[in-house]
Amino acid sequence: EADIYQTPRYLVIGTGKKITLECSQTMGHDKMYWYQQDPGMELHLIHYSYGVNSTEKGDLSSESTVSRIRTEHFPLTLESARPSHTSQYLCASSGSGGETQYFGPGTRLLVL
Amino acid sequence: EDKVVQSPLSLVVHEGDTVTLNCSYEVTNFRSLLWYKQEKKAPTFLFMLTSSGIEKKSGRLSSILDKKELFSILNITATQTGDSAIYLCAVSTQGGSEKLVFGKGTKLTVNP
Repeated sequence: EADIYQTPRYLVIGTGKKITLECSQTMGHDKMYWYQQDPGMELHLIHYSYGVNSTEKGDLSSESTVSRIRTEHFPLTLESARPSHTSQYLCASSGSGGETQYFGPGTRLLVL
Repeated sequence: EDKVVQSPLSLVVHEGDTVTLNCSYEVTNFRSLLWYKQEKKAPTFLFMLTSSGIEKKSGRLSSILDKKELFSILNITATQTGDSAIYLCAVSTQGGSEKLVFGKGTKLTVNP
């Protein structure tokens, strides 16, 4: 079944650690996105990609980085986690020519 | 700056009530408006609206867009406790980038 997956679903980590949040989709979509969402707040786009080897920063400045080496995979990395990075991170994808984005289940990150 | 405003931010009703959620927007080069339902996990897609005055319907949910007045409404009739969620409105714009601008959402609580 075509879907979009994120791991881990929950992560508690200490300050200064390097973390990678995984996102994979089996829908054959070209476009993928990372959003950050704090409780009660809007989703803010932090990174997006229109295809392999294409990555762009979103509207919200983020210290994270992304890569797109394979169409189905769009990992997000924080080199040195800080408490200010505590948030929910949502990955999404959309097909070419389509505005409808489909979301993964999200990763809730807590940095102590 | 593109902006999406949802109202009310929070709403508590009883099962069987009908609710109307509002979404207004100010964006350049509007392309479409999307509604999502977010429970404890990821936003799930409900509707995409591109043309004024054409109602989209799915079961007890319906939505309509007014491009002249720059707003959309989402109606839910005969509400059930399972409708409790945050309802997100997002707007996509034309011009290459297929990014979505999200509102803060309306938190709907349906009590038995």
